[in-house]
Amino acid sequence: KAGVTQTPRYLIKTRGQQVTLSCSPISGHRSVSWYQQTPGQGLQFLFEYFSETQRNKGNFPGRFSGRQFSNSRSEMNVSTLELGDSALYLCASSPKIPGQGAWTLNTEAFFGQGTRLTVV
Amino acid sequence: AQKITQTQPGMFVQEKEAVTLDCTYDTSDPSYGLFWYKQPSSGEMIFLIYQGSYDQQNATEGRYSLNFQKARKSANLVISASQLGDSAMYFCAMRELNTGGFKTIFGAGTRLFVKA
Repeated sequence: KAGVTQTPRYLIKTRGQQVTLSCSPISGHRSVSWYQQTPGQGLQFLFEYFSETQRNKGNFPGRFSGRQFSNSRSEMNVSTLELGDSALYLCASSPKIPGQGAWTLNTEAFFGQGTRLTVV
Repeated sequence: AQKITQTQPGMFVQEKEAVTLDCTYDTSDPSYGLFWYKQPSSGEMIFLIYQGSYDQQNATEGRYSLNFQKARKSANLVISASQLGDSAMYFCAMRELNTGGFKTIFGAGTRLFVKA
């Protein structure tokens, strides 16, 4: 069974440009979450999607956006890149339908290897 | 607000010995889940172990066990019989039921070095 696939693996962009990162979840997984990892701030939650709808959003400026397609693949976009956006962006997929219930707590999230974005 | 604290930026352990990685958390939600993930240099986060707030027993998964002390809001990871391949970053994480979905908050991490 293929894992979570993130493309591209590495990316170099210039300040002011925009970038789109892609995440293909494990087949059958319908929930996708995005995280930003930096040496200074650690791992921070960006947003989560299920059935093409954003369910949760972290404390990031509006320059960060995402979407999910009907096949559960997700993209995140960062516009007007800043040097501080340089980070490892991780995507995670989960197999169960999110909602109110204890089972959502113990459902494992499967992570991709990430996209390392460098803004120069 | 939910918060995860890992106070050990780096830890050294001799191969074949046990090591404990500390994690404390803060939440007002009575229903929550605690996770530990391993992140090798490749970047991928690997799930290790889970403990639910209502679980009566400490979780164990092979060489990994979680020392859960609910009153102290502590969820330390114990790795027994350390191996060279255990050298990596380790993250403690929490998910609250009231948040809904899979939003997970991570600690700053502990880098573990296993010495031969």
